[in-house]
Amino acid sequence: NAGVTQTPKFRVLKTGQSMTLLCAQDMNHEYMYWYRQDPGMGLRLIHYSVGEGTTAKGEVPDGYNVSRLKKQNFLLGLESAAPSQTSVYFCASSSLTQPLTDTQYFGPGTRLTVL
Amino acid sequence: GESVGLHLPTLSVQEGDNSIINCAYSNSASDYFIWYKQESGKGPQFIIDIRSNMDKRQGQRVTVLLNKTVKHLSLQIAATQPGDSAVYFCAENMKGSARQLTFGSGTQLTVLP
Repeated sequence: NAGVTQTPKFRVLKTGQSMTLLCAQDMNHEYMYWYRQDPGMGLRLIHYSVGEGTTAKGEVPDGYNVSRLKKQNFLLGLESAAPSQTSVYFCASSSLTQPLTDTQYFGPGTRLTVL
Repeated sequence: GESVGLHLPTLSVQEGDNSIINCAYSNSASDYFIWYKQESGKGPQFIIDIRSNMDKRQGQRVTVLLNKTVKHLSLQIAATQPGDSAVYFCAENMKGSARQLTFGSGTQLTVLP
């Protein structure tokens, strides 16, 4: 089991460019999440998905879009990158059937810089 | 909005000593709490969790204490080792919130030789 993987690991964009971050999990988890982490701060939820074909907004959704076409993949898109989107992005997943827990398992992160 | 916060941003302890990391939460509807460890350049790693119907839960060298009266959570690490140096986050989940976690800002634990 690879767990949760993210690609790419690093990316530098110019303002206005677009890109897609890919998250994949091999644990057959129903729930998937995208967070951003800024220096000295905790993680803030961008979007999440409770199942294939469904997505919902989190705390900071503006400027991002997501898609969950396959259960194992969750894509995060930036249509027109802005310097304020410079951050480290983490994907996580959790299982609907985990007994008594809501534990989320995290990927290694993608470090994005927008110039 | 309600949020999870931490009392201290940094904590330094001597190797072999016990560490206590504190967390305050303000949402009385939260019923599940998790501690994560994040090493530099890596994603958060699950350490231990606790439900609101419990006061204490123990793992290997770690103990989580929950005081619902004062809305306080703590993580105790026994015999702290250099590999314990990391940022520790508490997170809470509110019942019925589609498993969304709200994270605190983190405490940097440094283990001194």
